[in-house]
Amino acid sequence: DTAVSQTPKYLVTQMGNDKSIKCEQNLGHDTMYWYKQDSKKFLKIMFSYNNKELIINETVPNRFSPKSPDKAHLNLHINSLELGDSAVYFCASSQRLTNTGELFFGEGSRLTVL
Amino acid sequence: GQQLNQSPQSMFIQEGEDVSMNCTSSSIFNTWLWYKQDPGEGPVLLIALYKAGELTSNGRLTAQFGITRKDSFLNISASIPSDVGIYFCAGHLAYNTDKLIFGTGTRLQVFP
Repeated sequence: DTAVSQTPKYLVTQMGNDKSIKCEQNLGHDTMYWYKQDSKKFLKIMFSYNNKELIINETVPNRFSPKSPDKAHLNLHINSLELGDSAVYFCASSQRLTNTGELFFGEGSRLTVL
Repeated sequence: GQQLNQSPQSMFIQEGEDVSMNCTSSSIFNTWLWYKQDPGEGPVLLIALYKAGELTSNGRLTAQFGITRKDSFLNISASIPSDVGIYFCAGHLAYNTDKLIFGTGTRLQVFP
């Protein structure tokens, strides 16, 4: 039973298209994140939601819009895709109050923009 | 933005050798964590450190939280082929405990 699951795992699309990645966690955590991992494997935080409230919003183009319908789900919608958006996007979750620091990651969604 | 510098960037070692990698920053951290990422997977937590000077072991892995709170190291003893992967340090800054910042990663290759 997967703890943090992302769909799709692979996404290949043309420049200018709009696409979404979905994430769900069944760990009962109250905080969810989106990280971007580039081709050099750098992991950079993009957004974080705590109980559906946005708490971290890094310097990310406003073509990226996260949505959290409830605390178990965090989706990422990307408009007008550009070549530089090609990366692996990781969803993660944690429990903020105990905040041991441990994030549980999904398997990643590899986005390729042609 | 804040950066955690990890070294070495990559390591190629023989099975059975010990490995050491470290992470440094100009900022003070409240926590230090070490994650491992296997190909095609998300990072998985190996060790978490919460106090300056803390030394913690997990099997063949040992990590320490630097006394200045600006660095940490990870040692792997008697490496085995399944240790292959990318190792990341990560930490929460003292002034922003919501954001987990990742290091630049150390790619480990183990040859039999």
